[in-house]
Amino acid sequence: DTEVTQTPKHLVMGMTNKKSLKCEQHMGHRAMYWYKQKAKKPPELMFVYSYEKLSINESVPSRFSPECPNSSLLNLHLHALQPEDSALYLCASSQYFRDYNSPLHFGNGTRLTVT
Amino acid sequence: SQQGEEDPQALSIQEGENATMNCSYKTSINNLQWYRQNSGRGLVHLILIRSNEREKHSGRLRVTLDTSKKSSSLLITASRAADTASYFCATDAYYGNNRLAFGKGNQVVVIP
Repeated sequence: DTEVTQTPKHLVMGMTNKKSLKCEQHMGHRAMYWYKQKAKKPPELMFVYSYEKLSINESVPSRFSPECPNSSLLNLHLHALQPEDSALYLCASSQYFRDYNSPLHFGNGTRLTVT
Repeated sequence: SQQGEEDPQALSIQEGENATMNCSYKTSINNLQWYRQNSGRGLVHLILIRSNEREKHSGRLRVTLDTSKKSSSLLITASRAADTASYFCATDAYYGNNRLAFGKGNQVVVIP
């Protein structure tokens, strides 16, 4: 079992819906990440939070809105998504940002389908 | 930008055989990591090798790093059906942009 918990596991939403993905870790990690992964492709970085502050936004469309309420929680708010946004959304954490001697710990993802 | 890139492979082997997969990258790195992803699950960190290391072992895993050729290999010995997964290398560039660059991934199927 992973130490990074993501909910929900599956989500189907229409293009006019608003939904949120949630991620939680209790390892005391100070960096948290959102990745998007299409089938048979590597994960693509979307956002990085370090000490609860947004450090990286990989030019992600504004219909994706991240939030880090505290050091253990990471949310991704979704609004007016497109069918091409359907993917596996992975949350990850690491001890610190800019310290790749500490590996990433991934959750099992949310499988998102936009109809 | 820096990116680890495995030779695109889909390996299909019998249980008990060894599986080898490769990764190449383009610029100097601080370290290289390997991750495993079972179908529909998240990635699991397997092993990290630093740029000043040439070989590292962890259980049935053996990783080599050749910085002169900018390449790495992952060997899984005595494979098991549970090793069926996608394997990704990821690199941290020495003059990087603070992004961990994932390679394209290798699909390994171990037949019981």
